[in-house]
Amino acid sequence: DAKTTQPNSMESNEEEPVHLPCNHSTISGTDYIHWYRQLPSQGPEYVIHGLTSNVNNRMASLAIAEDRKSSTLILHRATLRDAAVYYCILEPNFGNEKLTFGTGTRLTIIP
Amino acid sequence: NAGVTQTPKFQVLKTGQSMTLQCAQDMNHNSMYWYRQDPGMGLRLIYYSASEGTTDKGEVPNGYNVSRLNKREFSLRLESAAPSQTSVYFCASRVPGHGRETQYFGPGTRLLVL
Repeated sequence: DAKTTQPNSMESNEEEPVHLPCNHSTISGTDYIHWYRQLPSQGPEYVIHGLTSNVNNRMASLAIAEDRKSSTLILHRATLRDAAVYYCILEPNFGNEKLTFGTGTRLTIIP
Repeated sequence: NAGVTQTPKFQVLKTGQSMTLQCAQDMNHNSMYWYRQDPGMGLRLIYYSASEGTTDKGEVPNGYNVSRLNKREFSLRLESAAPSQTSVYFCASRVPGHGRETQYFGPGTRLLVL
């Protein structure tokens, strides 16, 4: 199964943009890139996902490298409520339900 | 919609006791999952069910059994609890088999085995 690599932790100042990187050099052509986040003492929640093209939603943007071996989650204006662990995972398009979460990136927001 | 619900929220067991963790979803999803999360770690898949009546092992199935009672409910059973099973357990569901679909997670069950 394709794996992802993320930095263990990052810090950012409040109201500034945050770029969270993820490497997935063994990604297959049909794997979707998903980002989830986990706020303290809660279950993970969906943030954004994409296949090849960059994606935007109300929470964040996802920038996917042209070779798809890396991606970046962009929080345009971080708030204290964005402090969480962010997970980048690869979800196969068909036939394999065994999803793998890594240890994620713990994002700290500095007021 | 309640989404994904889990009971109980917290449980303390003694080594060797058994218990069942309950999970239910009201989103008409076919696929359901059980994960465990140890302190400071990511989630690891225990078992999953791609549809009613089917279950399959994930990454860490030893010491657990599951039952997909119907489309809504997916339970996780610990037959003889061990301290190594102290963890937070999350249930999730989604539309099956397509990588573009989102998983929805429950709030978790915190289990302490003494």
